[in-house]
Amino acid sequence: GDSVTQMEGPVTLSEEAFLTINCTYTATGYPSLFWYVQYPGEGLQLLLKATKADDKGSNKGFEATYRKETTSFHLEKGSVQVSDSAVYFCALSDRNTGNQFYFGTGTSLTVIP
Amino acid sequence: GAVVSQHPSRVICKSGTSVKIECRSLDFQATTMFWYRQFPKQSLMLMATSNEGSKATYEQGVEKDKFLINHASLTLSTLTVTSAHPEDSSFYICSARRPGQGDSPLHFGNGTRLTVT
Repeated sequence: GDSVTQMEGPVTLSEEAFLTINCTYTATGYPSLFWYVQYPGEGLQLLLKATKADDKGSNKGFEATYRKETTSFHLEKGSVQVSDSAVYFCALSDRNTGNQFYFGTGTSLTVIP
Repeated sequence: GAVVSQHPSRVICKSGTSVKIECRSLDFQATTMFWYRQFPKQSLMLMATSNEGSKATYEQGVEKDKFLINHASLTLSTLTVTSAHPEDSSFYICSARRPGQGDSPLHFGNGTRLTVT
């Protein structure tokens, strides 16, 4: 069945460091891929998405490229800020399973000044 | 701005009482809404799919008599935790997606922190 595997945290970085959070997926069809962010005490917010192979989603300095050959959708940011401290979830939606959503377990990021 | 509103954001109740959580889609009609429970180590568990005008679909292991879901209108779904116990303390989040867009994202409410004493 469909699933999402993402890098376990927690991740702690200094401000302005480079961020990578790995995400790989398994899907029966051609899924859409998403990254969500959850700030403390809040619900999840869509950060970026990509709907087909080689698409790059980007938002707020974050990027992720849909790599079909490696079934990956790694999240990157060139220079993190303290305000980026949050939990990040990778997710997929697969038309073959009625567009059901599958989430990774989340990766907690703490950025220290 | 927010497209899904959830209320209340926090609730504390005594063991044995019931608590109702509301989830509203603000600028679209949602025939389907989803209820998640988030555990302390942040993982999200889909509890049930709320279907407007029909019974909710519960995931395996979720007690439907304990977590009552009502989707009475196209913009409102409610989750009632009945006879709550301390082990029901958790963070509950609802979500919905705009209809007619197969690859549209899920929009989430801000969650409800339930504490049962």
